[in-house]
Amino acid sequence: GAVVSQHPSRVICKSGTSVKIECRSLDFQATTMFWYRQFPKQSLMLMATSNEGSKATYEQGVEKDKFLINHASLTLSTLTVTSAHPEDSSFYICSARDLQGWGTEAFFGQGTRLTVV
Amino acid sequence: AQSVAQPEDQVNVAEGNPLTVKCTYSVSGNPYLFWYVQYPNRGLQFLLKYITGDNLVKGSYGFEAEFNKSQTSFHLKKPSALVSDSALYFCAVRDLDNQGGKLIFGQGTELSVKP
Repeated sequence: GAVVSQHPSRVICKSGTSVKIECRSLDFQATTMFWYRQFPKQSLMLMATSNEGSKATYEQGVEKDKFLINHASLTLSTLTVTSAHPEDSSFYICSARDLQGWGTEAFFGQGTRLTVV
Repeated sequence: AQSVAQPEDQVNVAEGNPLTVKCTYSVSGNPYLFWYVQYPNRGLQFLLKYITGDNLVKGSYGFEAEFNKSQTSFHLKKPSALVSDSALYFCAVRDLDNQGGKLIFGQGTELSVKP
């Protein structure tokens, strides 16, 4: 299957600082990428849909000024957690699809464990 | 609106026994259904999908799923469970009302296979 690479896999940062997470589609072009947040042993919560060359679409309740998403190319989307606080500590996962059409599966990055101290 | 439900938070089976992880769906059109598996501190791995065609879908690692339109179900199955199958399993449906085609996930089922 297609490969989605997410970096870093783990990051610890101080409260008040910003952290950038990268999501790359390695062997396909992704016009759309998705960013999720996951709490322990819970389902994935979609934060936003990242569209190449345009603004991201955020889900209700997600602060767009806090979670900045940039999708500058067909193979890279970034999520920046600005002014991070301990409550932002979580597991963040990105996913991408390589084709349009409802039948194609999404491929996921390996996730980023963010710990804010 | 599209939704999926996984009625069991946890499923326990003995190694070598068959396993079933349940999923029911609700869609307003043709369903596009997916199963994913997640190991600890990892992203999700695609197992299989149902788009159209045969109701029995075969996927990775010996897993299969049966699409049942009358019961609106898409249960994941494996004839003989392995300890290494222990993980978190997610059923998902494509949101046909969303331009990006986002996936809507069930709450997940933790599968535990004991030796």
